[in-house]
Amino acid sequence: GENVEQHPSTLSVQEGDSAVIKCTYSDSASNYFPWYKQELGKRPQLIIDIRSNVGEKKDQRIAVTLNKTAKHFSLHITETQPEDSAVYFCAASQGSGGSNYKLTFGKGTLLTVNP
Amino acid sequence: DVKVTQSSRYLVKRTGEKVFLECVQDMDHENMFWYRQDPGLGLRLIYFSYDVKMKEKGDIPEGYSVSREKKERFSLILESASTNQTSMYLCASSPQEAFFGQGTRLTVV
Repeated sequence: GENVEQHPSTLSVQEGDSAVIKCTYSDSASNYFPWYKQELGKRPQLIIDIRSNVGEKKDQRIAVTLNKTAKHFSLHITETQPEDSAVYFCAASQGSGGSNYKLTFGKGTLLTVNP
Repeated sequence: DVKVTQSSRYLVKRTGEKVFLECVQDMDHENMFWYRQDPGLGLRLIYFSYDVKMKEKGDIPEGYSVSREKKERFSLILESASTNQTSMYLCASSPQEAFFGQGTRLTVV
């Protein structure tokens, strides 16, 4: 089955700096890669996702890059703000529906943005 | 807005009890999931279902079972609760993006 590794487990940055979180996956059939943000005491929520037919996607201060050959994808947050502090999870799935649709998560990264 | 609702926010059960965790979604999604979240271990998939009465084991199915008799409802069953099942349980539903419920903090004493 799919295995998703996420690094680092904790990340501390100064406000205004950039933050990068990296994930690798094992199943070459995976084609959908979402990122979730979980604030303390709240449920995880999708912040950005990418499908295997594109290499990069951007949404304001957040971007995700995908390298299918190397089987890794990364989350980039620029101009970090204290409200970006949260746990971030990457995930991977085949996204083709039916029994193949199994969403596997990494172990999470605790991002702390220091004012 | 998609709504995924879990029946309880907090639950305390005794060792050996049979425990039911209920999850309901209102968006007619095919896929539903049960995860458990533990510090340092992330979100681990227990079971998922891609249609009514269809289920697949996730990564940690031991000690759990599930039921999906109606499309909107996915139940997680702890056949005989044990202390190592004390955890946060999260239900999710999706067409592809997963929408999570608010979580059930289960304590087994």
